Amino acid sequence: GQNIDQPTEMTATEGAIVQINCTYQTSGFNGLFWYQQHAGEAPTFLSYNVLDGLEEKGRFSSFLSRSKGYSYLLLKELQMKDSASYLCAVSDSNYQLIWGAGTKLIIKP
Amino acid sequence: NAGVTQTPKFRVLKTGQSMTLLCAQDMNHEYMYWYRQDPGMGLRLIHYSVGEGTTAKGEVPDGYNVSRLKKQNFLLGLESAAPSQTSVYFCASSSPGGAHSGELFFGEGSRLTVL
Repeated sequence: GQNIDQPTEMTATEGAIVQINCTYQTSGFNGLFWYQQHAGEAPTFLSYNVLDGLEEKGRFSSFLSRSKGYSYLLLKELQMKDSASYLCAVSDSNYQLIWGAGTKLIIKP
Repeated sequence: NAGVTQTPKFRVLKTGQSMTLLCAQDMNHEYMYWYRQDPGMGLRLIHYSVGEGTTAKGEVPDGYNVSRLKKQNFLLGLESAAPSQTSVYFCASSSPGGAHSGELFFGEGSRLTVL
């Protein structure tokens, strides 16, 4: 079966760094996405990785290792507005997205 | 720039009633999707469409029907609502072969409660 695993909840301090992990087992791989979802709102695109390595975009970075079926999202200089759920999704061999349950990130002052 | 628009945003139904959720996108995307999101679970695909006049079943299609008569619209119907269909429904669209292949653009969501 296809499976995406990520922690249910994480807590971090404003100004700090946090890493959210995602492991996956899917039938085929055509890229991995990270989305951000604030409570009561729609998911919004954060990053896309299809090759191994690190993609950096401002305070956010995403890493992929296809051989390990592993990705992480790194958030630096945390701000209160970063409190949200972070969704990991993998595009499988049919280009269908398989979604993780999401990681709720709580930022404390 | 509207993007993806869903109506209605909120709805309360009684068991057995029917309703239709409307999704409209103005980005000329080929692909459209209906998901449901429940606490503690990932987004689950109900139905999707890869073009006007075509639809396909997703992971959890039972109890739902869809239609894509126009490229910009994707309708989700509940013929006989059940309490298990209480959820937040998201419509999304995408364009194949884009810069981020498969990136989804979501509507704001429709919160449905079935009593």
